[in-house]
Amino acid sequence: GAVVSQHPSRVICKSGTSVKIECRSLDFQATTMFWYRQFPKQSLMLMATSNEGSKATYEQGVEKDKFLINHASLTLSTLTVTSAHPEDSSFYICSARGSGGAGTYNEQFFGPGTRLTVL
Amino acid sequence: LAKTTQPISMDSYEGQEVNITCSHNNIATNDYITWYQQFPSQGPRFIIQGYKTKVTNEVASLFIPADRKSSTLSLPRVSLSDTAVYYCLVVINTGGFKTIFGAGTRLFVKA
Repeated sequence: GAVVSQHPSRVICKSGTSVKIECRSLDFQATTMFWYRQFPKQSLMLMATSNEGSKATYEQGVEKDKFLINHASLTLSTLTVTSAHPEDSSFYICSARGSGGAGTYNEQFFGPGTRLTVL
Repeated sequence: LAKTTQPISMDSYEGQEVNITCSHNNIATNDYITWYQQFPSQGPRFIIQGYKTKVTNEVASLFIPADRKSSTLSLPRVSLSDTAVYYCLVVINTGGFKTIFGAGTRLFVKA
């Protein structure tokens, strides 16, 4: 199946700093990318959906000024957690939906996740 | 948005067949049903997807009745390594593509 990578796999930062997480589709073009957050023992919560070249659509309750999403190309999306605080500590997972080729129209491929710890 | 309901947890033994049923009463005409598996600290892994009737691949089968208000994931002979959380999702394909995760089912396979 198609591969989605995330970088870094884990990051520790100080409160008040910003952290950028990259999500890449390695062998297919991703027309749509999704960002999820998962707290321990909980399910994944959709944060936002982004289409290449356009602004992300955020889910209700997700602060767009705090979680900046950029989807500048068909293979790369970034999530920047600005002015991070300890409550932002979580497991962030991206996924990508292909436009065809390696990905089926209705299938999402998930990245391995990024563990963010804010001290 | 179509909401899914599935058992919170299930226990099984190695070699047994496991069936996990999910209800999605307000699934829309264009929506697909997809199941994912997730291990701790990893991203979800696609298992199977279907629209109606039965779908089978090398790891699982998916049974969807005619009314599509529920679906059942069948894992033929589980092993210890199948211990994971299994998510039933309705892939919303109307007014934009979106996937919303439900609570998932924690499957624990015992020796």
